[in-house]
Amino acid sequence: AQRVTQPEKLLSVFKGAPVELKCNYSYSGSPELFWYVQYSRQRLQLLLRHISRESIKGFTADLNKGETSFHLKKPFAQEEDSAMYYCAGVGSGKFYFGSGTKLNVKP
Amino acid sequence: EADIYQTPRYLVIGTGKKITLECSQTMGHDKMYWYQQDPGMELHLIHYSYGVNSTEKGDLSSESTVSRIRTEHFPLTLESARPSHTSQYLCASSDSTSPGDEQFFGPGTRLTVL
Repeated sequence: AQRVTQPEKLLSVFKGAPVELKCNYSYSGSPELFWYVQYSRQRLQLLLRHISRESIKGFTADLNKGETSFHLKKPFAQEEDSAMYYCAGVGSGKFYFGSGTKLNVKP
Repeated sequence: EADIYQTPRYLVIGTGKKITLECSQTMGHDKMYWYQQDPGMELHLIHYSYGVNSTEKGDLSSESTVSRIRTEHFPLTLESARPSHTSQYLCASSDSTSPGDEQFFGPGTRLTVL
């Protein structure tokens, strides 16, 4: 079955520390993968997508086909990065979301 | 302003009642979706539509039904609400012609069935 797995429910780091939110996928073929973010009292919104190979708010995510991973990274976390992060993939025209990781950046 | 709207935002209702959760978008998108999300859990796709008169069931079995009579409107109906339907329901839309198929989400409806 096509799915996306986020093994960590909660990740706490100090401001300025590097952060990596893990995402593994099980898809056949070439997956389309995304990271969505939900800040407190805001809607779920797209953060970045792997096809764009972009950096948004200092975050990057590289698709590693060998490890079937799409981890989200930022070298220096900021307090405003505290939010829920969801990894998502598209397969057969449907979106599959992971269970989410809550990132808490402490001052 | 282009946006996606959901009403009501919160609903507390008794078992056996019929309810309709509204979702409307003014973004001109052709695709629309309904997700169900329990706290701390995955978003599960329960219904989607690729256009007017097109509706499909998602991967999570749901007793709800949807309709897509107008492009901008995608209501979800529960004929007889039960406590197991208590959850957050998120509506989303996307433009099939845009690269990457980015989904835009509404604010959600939190449903509690007593």
